Amino acid sequence: SQLAEENSWALSVHEGESVTVNCSYKTSITALQWYRQKSGKGPAQLILIRSNEREKRNGRLRATLDTSSQSSSLSITATRCEDTAVYFCASPSNMGYKLTFGTGTSLLVDP
Amino acid sequence: GPKVLQIPSHQIIDMGQMVTLNCDPVSNHLYFYWYKQILGQQMEFLVNFYNGKVMEKSKLFKDQFSVERPDGSYFTLKIQPTALEDSAVYFCASSLNRGGDTQYFGPGTRLLVL
Repeated sequence: SQLAEENSWALSVHEGESVTVNCSYKTSITALQWYRQKSGKGPAQLILIRSNEREKRNGRLRATLDTSSQSSSLSITATRCEDTAVYFCASPSNMGYKLTFGTGTSLLVDP
Repeated sequence: GPKVLQIPSHQIIDMGQMVTLNCDPVSNHLYFYWYKQILGQQMEFLVNFYNGKVMEKSKLFKDQFSVERPDGSYFTLKIQPTALEDSAVYFCASSLNRGGDTQYFGPGTRLLVL
């Protein structure tokens, strides 16, 4: 796969803890997006980070992008039970039309 | 936030039949997409549609698949005839621009081909 989440495919934390999901990619990208998909729902974008950016924040979420190592991370602080979901990284194709998704990391936040 | 609607939420059909999946994209969006997700697996791109044309498609977008958006109504994915391997959840998405712009996804249509 062009994109892959490097963690194990599943993570479990207790509510209030912090967690980081990592993503690596094989070809150059113009942007990298982090999506969250809750059970039975469609993916929802959390953060879009462009190739000229190194860090982006959205509330309790922080994404980083390292183009030299072709990797990105998504950190969630003060996790809540409602953060339980599958987290995907995704990047647009060179033509800019399609998103290629990573394999996903399933996060379980225990109360 | 912006919402994409999909109809129906579930569909069960016999192999060989035709099925049409409907998507109501975000009203001012110009780019429309279909993705396929088999249970427990990653989301896979099928096709992008813009200005009445298919702009990019994947190998999964077989000859039996077609898309259209007649007169700005629903954006549809038609499969004719269906095969067992078409069983999956199909997600519609839309975006205002391309090139990495945010894509907004619908809740999916769960298709089961018997």
